[in-house]
Amino acid sequence: NAGVTQTPKFRVLKTGQSMTLLCAQDMNHEYMYWYRQDPGMGLRLIHYSVGEGTTAKGEVPDGYNVSRLKKQNFLLGLESAAPSQTSVYFCASSFWKDSYGYTFGSGTRLTVV
Amino acid sequence: EDQVTQSPEALRLQEGESSSLNCSYTVSGLRGLFWYRQDPGKGPEFLFTLYSAGEEKEKERLKATLTKKESFLHITAPKPEDSATYLCAVRGETSGSRLTFGEGTQLTVNP
Repeated sequence: NAGVTQTPKFRVLKTGQSMTLLCAQDMNHEYMYWYRQDPGMGLRLIHYSVGEGTTAKGEVPDGYNVSRLKKQNFLLGLESAAPSQTSVYFCASSFWKDSYGYTFGSGTRLTVV
Repeated sequence: EDQVTQSPEALRLQEGESSSLNCSYTVSGLRGLFWYRQDPGKGPEFLFTLYSAGEEKEKERLKATLTKKESFLHITAPKPEDSATYLCAVRGETSGSRLTFGEGTQLTVNP
């Protein structure tokens, strides 16, 4: 009964460091998404995937890369972290046009100093 | 481009004081309007989906309604445990599976 699991939950990076956020879902969902949530700006789509081996850019993709090598996993990478990437990152998954939208993970709070 | 605007940004109520949250949207061909609840430090949790003007859905003290331009989340006799941020999102006909979210309304219910 895990749903969507994000790791890590918290991370502090120095400017210029790299890291990967992992999202795993056990619901056999085809679609997966990465959002960032910032005060006053709501949830903004970074990248998404419509199936294993596919990725696409969302609203704010610059500075991020993603990979979906396995259907259940969606990785978000930051190659050279910047303070502007300080945010809370949420992963979500869904079937095609699910009537309840998305199932979200519990988030990763990232601080770049 | 789909757009969602929620108001107010924050709302403080006394326990038992009913009120409504607003979600105004512009979308090319609505394929669903979604309400979520988000507690601090957690991901959003699904509440309702509405598809057409005139549709209403209820869950405990919450009722969501939909017109062609906006949706309302009515909260009747709220309790402190209803305190949370409420998010509205839309899916348009050109969006595929993607949702566009509003900034949310932070609701605080005081005992």
